[in-house]
Amino acid sequence: EVQLLDSGGGLIQPGGSLRLSCVTSGFTFSRHAMSWVRQAPGKGLEWVSGISGSDDSTYYSDSVKGRFTISRDNSRNTLYLQMNSLRVEDTAVYYCAKDRGSSSYDGLDVWGQGTTVTVSS
Amino acid sequence: QVVLTQSPSASASLGASVKLTCTLSSGHNHYAITWHQQQPEKGPRYLMKLDSDGSHTKGDGIPDRFSGSSSGAERYLTISSLQFEDEADYYCQTWGRGLYVFGPGTNVTVL
Repeated sequence: EVQLLDSGGGLIQPGGSLRLSCVTSGFTFSRHAMSWVRQAPGKGLEWVSGISGSDDSTYYSDSVKGRFTISRDNSRNTLYLQMNSLRVEDTAVYYCAKDRGSSSYDGLDVWGQGTTVTVSS
Repeated sequence: QVVLTQSPSASASLGASVKLTCTLSSGHNHYAITWHQQQPEKGPRYLMKLDSDGSHTKGDGIPDRFSGSSSGAERYLTISSLQFEDEADYYCQTWGRGLYVFGPGTNVTVL
């Protein structure tokens, strides 16, 4: 069974940093692109960042570019999101998600349970 | 960059059918999408991948009541024999060159 387990969320002051982790199992992690998606309170889903499964290329939404860094450790089957210079508007539930494709992009098909990040003074 | 458009809400009676629409922006008629369901206070769940020709691949355990179809720039999700558990937000999602995009979501109410 494919599983994604998000963790690392918490309460942080504006300007602070946090690192999210997503431990995966049940599939060949190294071959799949992975993403972080967030959902602010009462809002819809917003794609934040992704990393390819073929060459570790990374991608970011304009709202987090330059502040967030996505990475992966294929030996640990784990995805990370380093979040720096956090803003109040980054407050959201953060989900990791797996792409369907193996060594290609084919849409998201598995979600983690989410971890809550609250940025507040 | 591709943009996805969805109606904010839809409703139908228990046991009836509802058809949700996701519209791709101009020039992106050939894009595939995925549909996701988010029940109240829960995380998203993958329903299916839907190609431009209407073929679709559902996730494990997704009931036969959920089906997809396509026409031009529009991608549809039809829920038949509506159940109260189908009350949820439904999001479409697409991708290109490593970037992913979500539609704004449609809230479905079962009357």
